[in-house]
Amino acid sequence: GQQLNQSPQSMFIQEGEDVSMNCTSSSIFNTWLWYKQDPGEGPVLLIALYKAGELTSNGRLTAQFGITRKDSFLNISASIPSDVGIYFCAGQLEGGSEKLVFGKGTKLTVNP
Amino acid sequence: DSGVTQTPKHLITATGQRVTLRCSPRSGDLSVYWYQQSLDQGLQFLIQYYNGEERAKGNILERFSAQQFPDLHSELNLSSLELGDSALYFCASSAPGLAGAAGELFFGEGSRLTVL
Repeated sequence: GQQLNQSPQSMFIQEGEDVSMNCTSSSIFNTWLWYKQDPGEGPVLLIALYKAGELTSNGRLTAQFGITRKDSFLNISASIPSDVGIYFCAGQLEGGSEKLVFGKGTKLTVNP
Repeated sequence: DSGVTQTPKHLITATGQRVTLRCSPRSGDLSVYWYQQSLDQGLQFLIQYYNGEERAKGNILERFSAQQFPDLHSELNLSSLELGDSALYFCASSAPGLAGAAGELFFGEGSRLTVL
């Protein structure tokens, strides 16, 4: 249905390592977005993807809109301590309203 | 600073009570969205308003209601509160009809509701 399956649920990595997380669904999405939430804050948009196959970078972050339009991944290269937080994927369903459906998040911990 | 303002930041109340959460969207944004985030959960869509009209509805309980006023600020009313209503409630806004901006929501810092 409209569920977004986001994995992994949590990650513990060393500073400098690369990170990869993804979202999948059985539904087709027109838009994929990746948000980061710091403790006590609202989610902040990192990357927005609008076309199947689109690969977009924002600094050390790279995200791709899957060809099937049912998945997306986010990579973080050379992680630093301030990358700590919860990363959410979100999608706008094909034929749906403007609302976003969110994954349950990936909690990232970076050890210095 | 996203430009979206939510008040109050924290609220503690008792079961059975009613509270109102307030949101001011970014200047110029016509759409307001309300999301609920429970502990260790993702964001659950509650309701969306566009220029004063209800646009979309999610899994919003009948005990909850919302509205958007002519000045575009929005209020989320939660009544007959239960322990399980304790959560972070986020408001978000988006720009109207910008090409390529679909789905780009700007979130406030949230209102943390604790029901005792």
